[in-house]
Amino acid sequence: QKEVEQDPGPLSVPEGAIVSLNCTYSNSAFQYFMWYRQYSRKGPELLMYTYSSGNKEDGRFTAQVDKSSKYISLFIRDSQPSDSATYLCAMIGETSGSRLTFGEGTQLTVNP
Amino acid sequence: NAGVTQTPKFQVLKTGQSMTLQCAQDMNHNSMYWYRQDPGMGLRLIYYSASEGTTDKGEVPNGYNVSRLNKREFSLRLESAAPSQTSVYFCASSESRGSQPQHFGDGTRLSIL
Repeated sequence: QKEVEQDPGPLSVPEGAIVSLNCTYSNSAFQYFMWYRQYSRKGPELLMYTYSSGNKEDGRFTAQVDKSSKYISLFIRDSQPSDSATYLCAMIGETSGSRLTFGEGTQLTVNP
Repeated sequence: NAGVTQTPKFQVLKTGQSMTLQCAQDMNHNSMYWYRQDPGMGLRLIYYSASEGTTDKGEVPNGYNVSRLNKREFSLRLESAAPSQTSVYFCASSESRGSQPQHFGDGTRLSIL
């Protein structure tokens, strides 16, 4: 069983829709949670970075962490065609020996 | 403002050939990483270098070797390429091991026939 589970999609939505992307994890040692965005034929870039349970907002993006349920989400409001990309969740523990563990990514297309 | 630069961008090899993938960063980062990305598997860590002069195995190191040439450069070598090593390879760097964010290059697409 994978440590991090993420539905690969693909997910297709109309412009202006609210998008919800989710990951579940099994390792309770994970303490830091990230969302990376990856455009086609490009490397991933960090979008959101959270530590504690709760919500973190940055413009149209909201990251939500529920450590008790081992569940994280990324919400995109007023989605735009430029949001079309693959979104990867990633997480890491607190110790120096921890490594960043990625979900397989969800492919999102926002249609004009 | 190059960030992380990977060369080459594309490569086709025959089984058994050897090749070195190059990576350089200009952000004065201490830590560098090599990942492979495969459909259904996500990004998996091959090797990392926490600081200049050190390298360690990641999740999937078999069939690969690495060299941290200096603080800027971290290379990945396939000594005898196998079809199972067909993948997209990403190099990344961060200020220190475990620190975020990791900055990624745009990848090398490698096909082994």
